Amino acid sequence: AQSVTQLDSQVPVFEEAPVELRCNYSSSVSVYLFWYVQYPNQGLQLLLKYLSGSTLVESINGFEAEFNKSQTSFHLRKPSVHISDTAEYFCAGRNAGNNRKLIWGLGTSLAVNP
Amino acid sequence: DAGVIQSPRHEVTEMGQEVTLRCKPISGHDYLFWYRQTMMRGLELLIYFNNNVPIDDSGMPEDRFSAKMPNASFSTLKIQPSEPRDSAVYFCASSSRDHWNEQFFGPGTRLTVL
Repeated sequence: AQSVTQLDSQVPVFEEAPVELRCNYSSSVSVYLFWYVQYPNQGLQLLLKYLSGSTLVESINGFEAEFNKSQTSFHLRKPSVHISDTAEYFCAGRNAGNNRKLIWGLGTSLAVNP
Repeated sequence: DAGVIQSPRHEVTEMGQEVTLRCKPISGHDYLFWYRQTMMRGLELLIYFNNNVPIDDSGMPEDRFSAKMPNASFSTLKIQPSEPRDSAVYFCASSSRDHWNEQFFGPGTRLTVL
């Protein structure tokens, strides 16, 4: 079965600390992987994506994720978080082909405390 | 561009009433997605359209739900009759064939069925 699993529903962290949000996927959904972010009372926005090529992908605001095929993981990391990073983070994946359906994780709530 | 527009932003109705949610995708986008978000089930794809044609409606919960896309700039999601368990945030998203790897989300409609 196709699945994307986010291992932590909530991650509390202090400002300027490093953070890792974990995501694992089933091999049947692995071709394209995404992280979306949802700020309070807003829709989701694409944060970063892995399509092919370099296994390390970065966003403009300091987040990065590494595609690890052997561990079927696509964990999201940031070396130093800000209060403004407080949001819900969703991992998603899909296969190649014409079906545009994304398989979504349940989300991880990141709470950055001062 | 104004982004994906959804209306209303909030809807409170009584059980048994008909509810219509509206969405205007980004101009030029040829894919449109309807999602439902709840605490218990996370983000669920209900249906998606390509060039106004429904492609995958396997996520539509039951016959009480229906979606239409009469033209490239407008879509509706209708619930008739509504039930308390339909209470959720409903998102519309759109994407283009040329930038297929990113979905642009609207701000959502928060539906409460009493």
